[in-house]
Amino acid sequence: QTVVTQEPSFSVSPGGTVTLTCGLSSGSVSTSYYPSWYQLTPGQAPRTLIYSTNTRSSGVPDRFSGSILGNKAALTITGAQADDESDYYCVLYMSTGVSVFGGGTKVTVL
Amino acid sequence: EVQLVESGGGLVQPGGSLRLSCTTSGFTFSTYWMTWVRRAPGKGLEWVAHINQDGSEKYYVDSVKGRFTLSRDNAKNSLYLQMNSLRAEDTAVYYCARRDTTLKVFDYWGQGTLVTVSS
Repeated sequence: QTVVTQEPSFSVSPGGTVTLTCGLSSGSVSTSYYPSWYQLTPGQAPRTLIYSTNTRSSGVPDRFSGSILGNKAALTITGAQADDESDYYCVLYMSTGVSVFGGGTKVTVL
Repeated sequence: EVQLVESGGGLVQPGGSLRLSCTTSGFTFSTYWMTWVRRAPGKGLEWVAHINQDGSEKYYVDSVKGRFTLSRDNAKNSLYLQMNSLRAEDTAVYYCARRDTTLKVFDYWGQGTLVTVSS
């Protein structure tokens, strides 16, 4: 089965920039996988951040941006804030009709 | 306002069954794909299954195939997940989410319902 890869963790300074990536165990991520990104904070429902590679969901600050970098999808946080400390998940839509989450990246702001 | 409310979670013994429900409001339910996603304790999010608008297409993660059945009642704006032969590894918070048909994004989420499989 397809494995979607994410970095386990990242640390960023307040005001700094961090780029999380979302890859495939075999092959390259392209826009045809409709990459989307979600933020998960303890005790809360997942929050949709980015969809269709680079479209911000309603109400999401513009410090969050999505892109394709090389052979992976990417989520960049520019000007990180304390409340961005969270777990971030990407999802890829497969041509078989299933969706697969990455393992998630824990972002620490300190 | 779009709302999704899950119910039906609880404690069940291994091998047992449970039926989750997701009651929705604030949008035209019959025009959207719907999805279940779960998060096991200490683990990440896992897509479980989704169903198309009229229930004619269903997709499941391999680990639940043959045990879980997804259905919907468009007249009641509700989504269901029948879970049979439950295992300890099915213990998780189960989230219901709406999926945009074209963009494949899970754009609205419920708060989740906890399923605990334990003897």
